[in-house]
Amino acid sequence: DTGVSQDPRHKITKRGQNVTFRCDPISEHNRLYWYRQTLGQGPEFLTYFQNEAQLEKSRLLSDRFSAERPKGSFSTLEIQRTEQGDSAMYLCASTPQGDSGNTIYFGEGSWLTVV
Amino acid sequence: EDQVTQSPEALRLQEGESSSLNCSYTVSGLRGLFWYRQDPGKGPEFLFTLYSAGEEKEKERLKATLTKKESFLHITAPKPEDSATYLCAVAGGGADGLTFGKGTHLIIQP
Repeated sequence: DTGVSQDPRHKITKRGQNVTFRCDPISEHNRLYWYRQTLGQGPEFLTYFQNEAQLEKSRLLSDRFSAERPKGSFSTLEIQRTEQGDSAMYLCASTPQGDSGNTIYFGEGSWLTVV
Repeated sequence: EDQVTQSPEALRLQEGESSSLNCSYTVSGLRGLFWYRQDPGKGPEFLFTLYSAGEEKEKERLKATLTKKESFLHITAPKPEDSATYLCAVAGGGADGLTFGKGTHLIIQP
């Protein structure tokens, strides 16, 4: 059973460095989501893709964040010039094409610590 | 703007002591209400999706119910392995992302 796969699982970086996270969704899932979660909070929506098209971005996604999904397969989330406030778990999720009532399946997350 | 409020924030139960977790929501055009379980350091694990008031779903010791304003996650005779954070989320209001509550941290003591 191949679920949503995320890499790396943990990343420690110095403030000001760039980091990139990769997500491989469940096979044949057209929609891919990125969320951010901090301790004691629920996940917060960042952005989502329908195939290779990025259709929605949250206001949480500052211009230091960029996400891509080339060819509608895996996705990357890059954070440039990291700040301590970027420390969080970054979750990727996927769902089959359909309305937003479809169940969204999450990966195990990528933990980012900015020191 | 969609909103989800979960209560209580934390709940400690003895093994076998049944209880309910609450999820109150406001959303324009509910497309689905979701319950997830999250263990420390891991991603949310899907439990249930509910689509309309009156709907109920069960899985082992868990049962989820839905009204027009809230959802309950009932846990019957819980075991220590049921200890986790339970997250509620809604899809609706034209936004395609889920809006989550902060979760209920459930501890089941042996």
